[in-house]
Amino acid sequence: GAVVSQHPSRVICKSGTSVKIECRSLDFQATTMFWYRQFPKQSLMLMATSNEGSKATYEQGVEKDKFLINHASLTLSTLTVTSAHPEDSSFYICSARLRGGGRYEQYFGPGTRLTVT
Amino acid sequence: SQQGEEDPQALSIQEGENATMNCSYKTSINNLQWYRQNSGRGLVHLILIRSNEREKHSGRLRVTLDTSKKSSSLLITASRAADTASYFCATVLHSGNTPLVFGKGTRLSVIA
Repeated sequence: GAVVSQHPSRVICKSGTSVKIECRSLDFQATTMFWYRQFPKQSLMLMATSNEGSKATYEQGVEKDKFLINHASLTLSTLTVTSAHPEDSSFYICSARLRGGGRYEQYFGPGTRLTVT
Repeated sequence: SQQGEEDPQALSIQEGENATMNCSYKTSINNLQWYRQNSGRGLVHLILIRSNEREKHSGRLRVTLDTSKKSSSLLITASRAADTASYFCATVLHSGNTPLVFGKGTRLSVIA
């Protein structure tokens, strides 16, 4: 149980285009989803937190107009990188928090590797 | 922002040896978790230790937590080449309903 999927797993796009990454909780409802970014040989940095039906909360330094997050349902969140540039190339990982129980467990997707050429 | 700092940043050991990684954090926590990540892959959850626990074991893994020093350690005993990976500690703040915040990680190389 508690599986989180991401799609696509890899994407290559040209500079200036937009890319959408989907994150789904497959067998549970997620009250909250988180988006992380990881540059090579670095740690995961939290980008934003999103709750179903409300606007995402972005971490300091993350441009909300560039990284659009939509949390349309309790099982789906999307991250759209708009007007992507080579410096946006990174490994993007989503995470979903199990609804209820007060256990605050987060489950991670397998990640999406974005390469902007 | 990052909560945890691991040390060492990189560790290279021979197969069969034990590997110890340390993590320090800054603020009061609800729990601390350790994750493994193979190169270019997703995260694998290893172990969770709550703020009222001092030690936990899982197979060849032993985690300690010292809340007075705001530090934790991960010990991998009898290491194997397959343990080669990056290891991250991550904390959940005391309030509980906050995202995991990751440390910088330790890159472990186990040489056969």
